[in-house]
Amino acid sequence: AQKVTQAQTEISVVEKEDVTLDCVYETRDTTYYLFWYKQPPSGELVFLIRRNSFDEQNEISGRYSWNFQKSTSSFNFTITASQVVDSAVYFCALSIRGNQFYFGTGTSLTVIP
Amino acid sequence: DAGVIQSPRHEVTEMGQEVTLRCKPISGHNSLFWYRQTMMRGLELLIYFNNNVPIDDSGMPEDRFSAKMPNASFSTLKIQPSEPRDSAVYFCASSPTGRSNQPQHFGDGTRLSIL
Repeated sequence: AQKVTQAQTEISVVEKEDVTLDCVYETRDTTYYLFWYKQPPSGELVFLIRRNSFDEQNEISGRYSWNFQKSTSSFNFTITASQVVDSAVYFCALSIRGNQFYFGTGTSLTVIP
Repeated sequence: DAGVIQSPRHEVTEMGQEVTLRCKPISGHNSLFWYRQTMMRGLELLIYFNNNVPIDDSGMPEDRFSAKMPNASFSTLKIQPSEPRDSAVYFCASSPTGRSNQPQHFGDGTRLSIL
């Protein structure tokens, strides 16, 4: 069975702090894809990044970085120098065969000015 | 480029009424998904279509829910009769193909309140 666990329900940080959002996944498939989405207070879901199971290179995009480790089945998301605009709910998702996504329960991040 | 378009953005109706939610996927996308989001259950996949054909409707809660995709540019999710427990945000998403490596692109959602 497929499963995505985001153990952190809510996180609060002060602006400019770094924060890491954890994502642990379960699957027996050897080919799979992992995604992160952001849901700001306005409610829409915004695609942030995709990673496939054969590419363990970390990725950095501005203040965002992602650490994929197959050995621990984790795909963690770090925001450096957080800003108030980063306040949102962040979802991790797993996709295997077909295009059905398995979403985690989300982590609500609040950045305090 | 236009994203996924959902209508209405908000719907408030009384219990027992029929509700129809609409979705226009991104042009050229072949897969379409309906999700429901609540505080208690998070994001739930209700049904998804590939090339207008329903592939998996196992997430549809019960017979009161039905979804159609008459053509590649339009889909509806209907609840009849509606109940207060159906109150949620309903999202439509589309992706270019039915392959697992494709991100899903979400609409802004319909916030449904059943009184």
